[in-house]
Amino acid sequence: AQKITQTQPGMFVQEKEAVTLDCTYDTSDPSYGLFWYKQPSSGEMIFLIYQGSYDQQNATEGRYSLNFQKARKSANLVISASQLGDSAMYFCAMTLPLSGSARQLTFGSGTQLTVLP
Amino acid sequence: ETGVTQTPRHLVMGMTNKKSLKCEQHLGHNAMYWYKQSAKKPLELMFVYNFKEQTENNSVPSRFSPECPNSSHLFLHLHTLQPEDSALYLCASSHPWEAGGDYEQYFGPGTRLTVT
Repeated sequence: AQKITQTQPGMFVQEKEAVTLDCTYDTSDPSYGLFWYKQPSSGEMIFLIYQGSYDQQNATEGRYSLNFQKARKSANLVISASQLGDSAMYFCAMTLPLSGSARQLTFGSGTQLTVLP
Repeated sequence: ETGVTQTPRHLVMGMTNKKSLKCEQHLGHNAMYWYKQSAKKPLELMFVYNFKEQTENNSVPSRFSPECPNSSHLFLHLHTLQPEDSALYLCASSHPWEAGGDYEQYFGPGTRLTVT
């Protein structure tokens, strides 16, 4: 069965420091996508970054980077220069094929990040 | 108005009520999704529509009934719900998958449902 594991239920980081949120995945499908989403207390899921299974380079989007280690099946999110507004729940997710041409987004259990002033 | 909107934002209903959740996207997407987010549990995919056709129903009880009249609108009709159905219901949209690529899903703010 395919699944996403986030082993850190909660993380604390000092403002302006970097933080790494862990994510490991398990799939036998060679084609998959990995996503990170941020969910503030308001509830909306905000897309942060994407990594395709065939991408050779690690994805980066501003202060976010994805440390993709395919052999270890890990896709850790690195947030540089943390800001108070980064405090939120962070979800790792993976797309897998569904019937027909659709694909399913499967989420991990999330990591609650708190940025300390 | 842009993005994905959901109404109502909050809903309290009794177990014998019938209500509907509405989702609307202004992003030109053709795939839409309903997710359920319960406390302390990962998001659960409920329904998927690709070009208005339902492509997935993840063993969701029949008291939840989706409707997708066009690619911009998605409804979730609720009837005779149980207290354990209380959760945050999130709608999302994305480009369709027929091109073989991966596309991020854009989420609405969710409807916080409480069943009493």
